[in-house]
Amino acid sequence: AQSVAQPEDQVNVAEGNPLTVKCTYSVSGNPYLFWYVQYPNRGLQFLLKYITGDNLVKGSYGFEAEFNKSQTSFHLKKPSALVSDSALYFCAVRDWGLMDSNYQLIWGAGTKLIIKP
Amino acid sequence: NAGVTQTPKFQVLKTGQSMTLQCAQDMNHEYMSWYRQDPGMGLRLIHYSVGAGITDQGEVPNGYNVSRSTTEDFPLRLLSAAPSQTSVYFCASSSQGGGDGYTFGSGTRLTVV
Repeated sequence: AQSVAQPEDQVNVAEGNPLTVKCTYSVSGNPYLFWYVQYPNRGLQFLLKYITGDNLVKGSYGFEAEFNKSQTSFHLKKPSALVSDSALYFCAVRDWGLMDSNYQLIWGAGTKLIIKP
Repeated sequence: NAGVTQTPKFQVLKTGQSMTLQCAQDMNHEYMSWYRQDPGMGLRLIHYSVGAGITDQGEVPNGYNVSRSTTEDFPLRLLSAAPSQTSVYFCASSSQGGGDGYTFGSGTRLTVV
């Protein structure tokens, strides 16, 4: 079955340290992978996506993500965290192996990222 | 370019009342959907549409109706509000089969008392 797992409900990082938010997926075909961020009382905003090509994808606000096909992972990273990065982060996948997926993205449960000064 | 516009931003209903949450997009996206977001539950798909005149149920459709008479609009109707429908509702749209991801509205915070 298709699924996305974000194994950590919450990640705490000190400001200036590198951060990683984990995401693993299970799909039947080739995946398109996405990261979204949700700031308090706001809608979800697109951060970055992987479709094909270079396994390291760069996105908004200095974030990047690394696609690892063998580990079926797409972890979100940033070299130096800012307090303003504190938000809820969602990983999602589009499974192109499904015949009747009808635009559906499969969503992870979200990870709350807290950056402490 | 407004993207996805949701109205209202906040709403309080009494149990048994009905209302419509509005969603409009100006990107000519063929796909539109409604999600609800509850604490600890992530995003749950209520209904979706892949084009005008076409709608289908998502994961949690009970108590909600939708219609898609135009490409731009995708209203969500609560038929008889219940406290369990207290939630934040998001509308999202997409094109290219979902390959470009979704564009989300800013949400409607609904409280049913």
